[in-house]
Amino acid sequence: GDSVTQMEGPVTLSEEAFLTINCTYTATGYPSLFWYVQYPGEGLQLLLKATKADDKGSNKGFEATYRKETTSFHLEKGSVQVSDSAVYFCALGPNTNAGKSTFGDGTTLTVKP
Amino acid sequence: NAGVTQTPKFQVLKTGQSMTLQCAQDMNHEYMSWYRQDPGMGLRLIHYSVGAGITDQGEVPNGYNVSRSTTEDFPLRLLSAAPSQTSVYFCASSYSRTGGSYGYTFGSGTRLTVV
Repeated sequence: GDSVTQMEGPVTLSEEAFLTINCTYTATGYPSLFWYVQYPGEGLQLLLKATKADDKGSNKGFEATYRKETTSFHLEKGSVQVSDSAVYFCALGPNTNAGKSTFGDGTTLTVKP
Repeated sequence: NAGVTQTPKFQVLKTGQSMTLQCAQDMNHEYMSWYRQDPGMGLRLIHYSVGAGITDQGEVPNGYNVSRSTTEDFPLRLLSAAPSQTSVYFCASSYSRTGGSYGYTFGSGTRLTVV
């Protein structure tokens, strides 16, 4: 079945550091890929998405590129801020082949001033 | 504001009690799902629906029932609460469109404690 593997956390960075959170997936077909962010005490929010190979999703300074050859969708940001401290989830779908989504376990990011 | 509305936000139940977690969306989304979030275990899918009248089980369906009589509503019923069901529950919805996907819109969650 479908699965998502995220790099284990927690990740602690200093403000203005470069961020990479790795995400690889296993899926049949060509799923859409997503990153979600969850701030403390809140629900998940869609951060960015990519729907086909080589697509780059971007939002709020975050970027991720859909790499079909390596089945990866790594999240990057060039300069993190304290306000980026949150839990980040990589996910497959939902798409028209399956009405459900598969999530990674989440990576907790803490940014220190 | 358009979105996914979950009620209640907090609930304490005694073991053996039953209750219904409500979820409603006003975006005409076909897909709706229920997840539970436990520390260190990420999100686990309980039940999901691809449209009114159609539901299916996720990875942890035991102890929960759902129905989807309308596009807007997707209630989750706990049949006989157990301490193992203490968790944060999230409802989510999404469009279904050929050739792509729009990702989920999540509700703000229901924090359930079973004592």
